[in-house]
Amino acid sequence: QQKVQQSPESLSVPEGGMASFNCTSSDRNFQYFWWYRQHSGEGPKALMSIFSDGDKKEGRFTAHLNKASLHVSLHIRDSQPSDSALYFCAASEHVTGGYKVVFGSGTRLLVSP
Amino acid sequence: GALVYQYPRRTICKSGTSMRMECQAVGFQATSVAWYRQSPQKTFELIALSTVNSAIKYEQNFTQEKFPISHPNLSFSSMTVLNAYLEDRGLYLCGARLQGNSDYTFGSGTRLLVI
Repeated sequence: QQKVQQSPESLSVPEGGMASFNCTSSDRNFQYFWWYRQHSGEGPKALMSIFSDGDKKEGRFTAHLNKASLHVSLHIRDSQPSDSALYFCAASEHVTGGYKVVFGSGTRLLVSP
Repeated sequence: GALVYQYPRRTICKSGTSMRMECQAVGFQATSVAWYRQSPQKTFELIALSTVNSAIKYEQNFTQEKFPISHPNLSFSSMTVLNAYLEDRGLYLCGARLQGNSDYTFGSGTRLLVI
């Protein structure tokens, strides 16, 4: 079973709409959570991190973390066509030698003009 | 800024042959390098985690005999896929981490096609 479960698999929103993604972890060793975005033909790029309970807002992006339930979400308001991409949540835990990052299965976002 | 370059971007190899891919960190010192494979279905599998001056730790289902990794300094790592077969195809991603950070900066990957 995947340690980081992400939903939905795909999402289609109109331009200007709100896009929301969710992740739940099954491992309490995870300490840090990230959202990555991957455009076609590129590697994933870190979008934002969240380490503490509550909301974290960066521009149009808001991440929310509930450590008790190991649930993390990402909301994009005023979605733009350029936001169309694959979005991955990721959880990291400290291991011998560094940090191990486990990715969710991804959500494909399509923002239509 | 911190950048990671991977080479080659794309490669095709015959079934049973081997290919080497490289990862270069620019603008920062990559204390740790993580190699992932992204399947055609877009899921990520961690292959191994390499930290300079420490042993390379391979994940279950991945071995040094199949995916030997070299991490000789703080800016470079390479991985070879030995005896590649169809199930080895995918996008191989290198993520480099600066000491003290908990995230990785990823390159654009090396896409491996096996024919």
